[in-house]
Amino acid sequence: DAGITQSPRYKITETGRQVTLMCHQTWSHSYMFWYRQDLGHGLRLIYYSAAADITDKGEVPDGYVVSRSKTENFPLTLESATRSQTSVYFCASSWNTGELFFGEGSRLTVL
Amino acid sequence: GESVGLHLPTLSVQEGDNSIINCAYSNSASDYFIWYKQESGKGPQFIIDIRSNMDKRQGQRVTVLLNKTVKHLSLQIAATQPGDSAVYFCAENHLFNNDMRFGAGTRLTVKP
Repeated sequence: DAGITQSPRYKITETGRQVTLMCHQTWSHSYMFWYRQDLGHGLRLIYYSAAADITDKGEVPDGYVVSRSKTENFPLTLESATRSQTSVYFCASSWNTGELFFGEGSRLTVL
Repeated sequence: GESVGLHLPTLSVQEGDNSIINCAYSNSASDYFIWYKQESGKGPQFIIDIRSNMDKRQGQRVTVLLNKTVKHLSLQIAATQPGDSAVYFCAENHLFNNDMRFGAGTRLTVKP
């Protein structure tokens, strides 16, 4: 089915480990985004990409790395996970700077 | 600092009543506003949007009002149904910027 999919949906890891969250969209949207959602903070932008090979920092980029070698994929990597990165991560895509289409989320727990 | 926020964190209404969810923003340069609905365990879903050159926009059972004078945004849901129970977020987008900022959310509970 067309849409935006995230994997894994649930992940438990340990402090210091590398974790990669995957995001794949089938709409050929130019823009892709990674948000984290925490109680009391709403959704905060981590990184976004306007096109393949173009990425920019958002509000809370520290500790995260992204890449976009293909239009449809936008993986988010935590190079050395910390407990403060325990959160629900949402990937989103859009045609432009308008409406965002969100994935179902990836719940990450860092022990 | 500039931010998007909500007046009330929770709202409880009776089924069939109208709901009004409010949002304040402080950046007068924002030119695009969106309301999203997030059901438990799911990602946010688009409800309705409005550009800064408008003050009202209507959808199916929903209306968004924008008051630029006081930097206030509201979402009105007519004849609220149990399926409307969710967390509602307002978001603003800055002109020429891809950094869409979200408010903390309001949890709407519809009582049967």
